[in-house]
Amino acid sequence: EAQVTQNPRYLITVTGKKLTVTCSQNMNHEYMSWYRQDPGLGLRQIYYSMNVEVTDKGDVPEGYKVSRKEKRNFPLILESPSPNQTSLYFCASSRQGQRQETQYFGPGTRLLVL
Amino acid sequence: GQQVMQIPQYQHVQEGEDFTTYCNSSTTLSNIQWYKQRPGGHPVFLIQLVKSGEVKKQKRLTFQFGEAKKNSSLHITATQTTDVGTYFCAGWRGSARQLTFGSGTQLTVLP
Repeated sequence: EAQVTQNPRYLITVTGKKLTVTCSQNMNHEYMSWYRQDPGLGLRQIYYSMNVEVTDKGDVPEGYKVSRKEKRNFPLILESPSPNQTSLYFCASSRQGQRQETQYFGPGTRLLVL
Repeated sequence: GQQVMQIPQYQHVQEGEDFTTYCNSSTTLSNIQWYKQRPGGHPVFLIQLVKSGEVKKQKRLTFQFGEAKKNSSLHITATQTTDVGTYFCAGWRGSARQLTFGSGTQLTVLP
């Protein structure tokens, strides 16, 4: 089954404790991205990746890091989480990053930073 | 930067009534996509519009792309409880590889 998976699905942590949210897709997609969703703000892009070892900042990259060492995986790293990073996070993938491509979303990770 | 505005933010309708959400971009879009997110779920692709003035239908859903390719709308005829969710429009920026989402319209259908 074609899918995007994220782990963990729910996470409660404390300020300053480094965490990683994993994202994996089995569709051989080149393009992957991370979004955060906050009430009234829709989905805002954090980082995206056109392919292995190619990443770029989205609209809200501050406080986040990503890496793309393998095509299927695109982890999101919060080196020192703060309460304003409490949010719902979605990973998405698509073919090639061309404008015509549909984004396939993972199930989401709900993060609470105390 | 490019902004995509979506209205209304919330809409409550009685089952059987029609519903429309509107999307407006500050810049011309190469295409526009629509997604639906059920409560507790993730966004799911509905449709993509590419051509100026394009109209597409999916059963009770009608999607339009404006002549200037800066606005779009989604109209649902005779809503059902299964239509509940948040509807997002999204447009790719000009030459960039970023998809900009509208803020979404949360639809509640009262039985």
